[in-house]
Amino acid sequence: TQLLEQSPQFLSIQEGENLTVYCNSSSVFSSLQWYRQEPGEGPVLLVTVVTGGEVKKLKRLTFQFGDARKDSSLHITAAQPGDTGLYLCAGKPSNQFYFGTGTSLTVIP
Amino acid sequence: NAGVTQTPKFQVLKTGQSMTLQCAQDMNHNSMYWYRQDPGMGLRLIYYSASEGTTDKGEVPNGYNVSRLNKREFSLRLESAAPSQTSVYFCASSRDTGGYTFGSGTRLTVV
Repeated sequence: TQLLEQSPQFLSIQEGENLTVYCNSSSVFSSLQWYRQEPGEGPVLLVTVVTGGEVKKLKRLTFQFGDARKDSSLHITAAQPGDTGLYLCAGKPSNQFYFGTGTSLTVIP
Repeated sequence: NAGVTQTPKFQVLKTGQSMTLQCAQDMNHNSMYWYRQDPGMGLRLIYYSASEGTTDKGEVPNGYNVSRLNKREFSLRLESAAPSQTSVYFCASSRDTGGYTFGSGTRLTVV
């Protein structure tokens, strides 16, 4: 069983649409990170959240950490083709980060 | 501005062969990691090294060994490759509490 469940697994939307992807767990995390991975490359860190209820914005991306520090969401406003990629969340219950299976996003021009 | 460098980028092995995947980082990070990424399974930790001279098992260590040669380098060895070890392998490094910087991966096929 996965420590972190991400949904949806796949998402295909038109350019300009909004979307939200989710990262859920029954475990409490001291911190949670979001990464984006493009084909043939390693994941690249987007954000780290550490406080329950924390909201961080990165241009058109909004990240929220749940109040209980068990879940997180990523909202993209007005998606662009450059947002296409695999979005991974990673939570740290103790010493190491554990990764979810990811949401594969395709933004169609 | 290299970050994390992995070699080789691609490798095909026959069952039973051995090989070593190399990883080096130039960011003066203390911690280094080896992950494998398989479809539907996400990234799974094989081994990690919190500091030079220490290594610890992750989620899926069986069939692998590691060496933290110095602060910069962390290698992963497959002593007797099996088809189940076909995967994409990623090395990463981090400061003690920071995010991970990943290499671009090694695509390994065991036939």
